[in-house]
Amino acid sequence: GDSVTQMEGPVTLSEEAFLTINCTYTATGYPSLFWYVQYPGEGLQLLLKATKADDKGSNKGFEATYRKETTSFHLEKGSVQVSDSAVYFCALSDRQAGTALIFGKGTTLSVSS
Amino acid sequence: NAGVTQTPKFQVLKTGQSMTLQCAQDMNHNSMYWYRQDPGMGLRLIYYSASEGTTDKGEVPNGYNVSRLNKREFSLRLESAAPSQTSVYFCASRQGGGNEQFFGPGTRLTVL
Repeated sequence: GDSVTQMEGPVTLSEEAFLTINCTYTATGYPSLFWYVQYPGEGLQLLLKATKADDKGSNKGFEATYRKETTSFHLEKGSVQVSDSAVYFCALSDRQAGTALIFGKGTTLSVSS
Repeated sequence: NAGVTQTPKFQVLKTGQSMTLQCAQDMNHNSMYWYRQDPGMGLRLIYYSASEGTTDKGEVPNGYNVSRLNKREFSLRLESAAPSQTSVYFCASRQGGGNEQFFGPGTRLTVL
């Protein structure tokens, strides 16, 4: 079945460092891809999405490009802030399950000043 | 708009007890979902409802039942709680035609 694999954390960075969180997927069709963020004690919020190959999703300085040839959707940010400390989930839409989301295991990011 | 709301926020049960987790959304979304989140496992789909009046099993449905009471509300019931059901439970909803899901704040359940 469809699946998502993302790099394991925790990822620890200093403020203003460059961030990459790797995400690759396996899917039989052409899913939509998402990055969600979970701040401590809260639910998940959509960070960005891409619905077709070569689309670039962006929000709050974060970017990710849907790469069909490498089945990847890596999350990047040029300069992280302490407020970016959170858990980041890569996900894809599973058309066979009423468009429910299939999630990676999450990557914890900790940014220090 | 309140978005997706869940009650309760926290709950402690003893093995064998039953309870219902409540979820409501005010965005007029057709589809609703229940996920559980466990450390190192990401989120896994328990049940979903593609539209009012329909429900289907997800990846981990054993030990749970659901009810889509109306378009707004989707409840999750544990008939006989087990320690393996200790988890954080998230409800989500999705608008028709789009893939984005909106999540509630979660219910942290501990089964002793």
